[in-house]
Amino acid sequence: QKEVEQNSGPLSVPEGAIASLNCTYSDRGSQSFFWYRQYSGKSPELIMSIYSNGDKEDGRFTAQLNKASQYVSLLIRDSQPSDSATYLCAVTSTGGGNKLTFGTGTQLKVEL
Amino acid sequence: DAGVIQSPRHEVTEMGQEVTLRCKPISGHDYLFWYRQTMMRGLELLIYFNNNVPIDDSGMPEDRFSAKMPNASFSTLKIQPSEPRDSAVYFCASSLALGEWHEQFFGPGTRLTVL
Repeated sequence: QKEVEQNSGPLSVPEGAIASLNCTYSDRGSQSFFWYRQYSGKSPELIMSIYSNGDKEDGRFTAQLNKASQYVSLLIRDSQPSDSATYLCAVTSTGGGNKLTFGTGTQLKVEL
Repeated sequence: DAGVIQSPRHEVTEMGQEVTLRCKPISGHDYLFWYRQTMMRGLELLIYFNNNVPIDDSGMPEDRFSAKMPNASFSTLKIQPSEPRDSAVYFCASSLALGEWHEQFFGPGTRLTVL
């Protein structure tokens, strides 16, 4: 079983719609959760972080965390073609200090 | 700030040759990470350093891989001898660790092709 699991997609949504990206993790001791965006041929860049159960909003992005279900999600409202990218979920490891484990990513396509 | 710097950006080599990838972290960051990304396996952590000391090298695939950080501003990842299955994009990242905040900043990556 992979430590961090994501649906590889592609997830296709029309422009202006809400895109919902999901991630599950296996380490119950994980404390910090991150969403990175990676455009094709580029390096990952951090877009959201969340540490407590519930929702965290930043502009068009909302991260949701449920530690009991070991589930973290990312909602993108008013999706734009520029949001088309691969979204990587990353989780810290129990006792792992600053070590992150990444999922394989979900490819998002926002269609005109 | 120039961000994380990696060189070379592209490397094409033949099987059996030695390959050295280089990284300069963001000034003041005390963590440095080496990752490998492939389509099949995604982004995998190979090794990370804290204050120039290797902390976890459990992701290093085998003895052909080695990494060093002789000072706070430079690190190398060496593959000797290289094999075609080592072809991947290698990223270096750096971060501070302040409480819960562990944002890792990635370099542009080195695309390695081993023929």
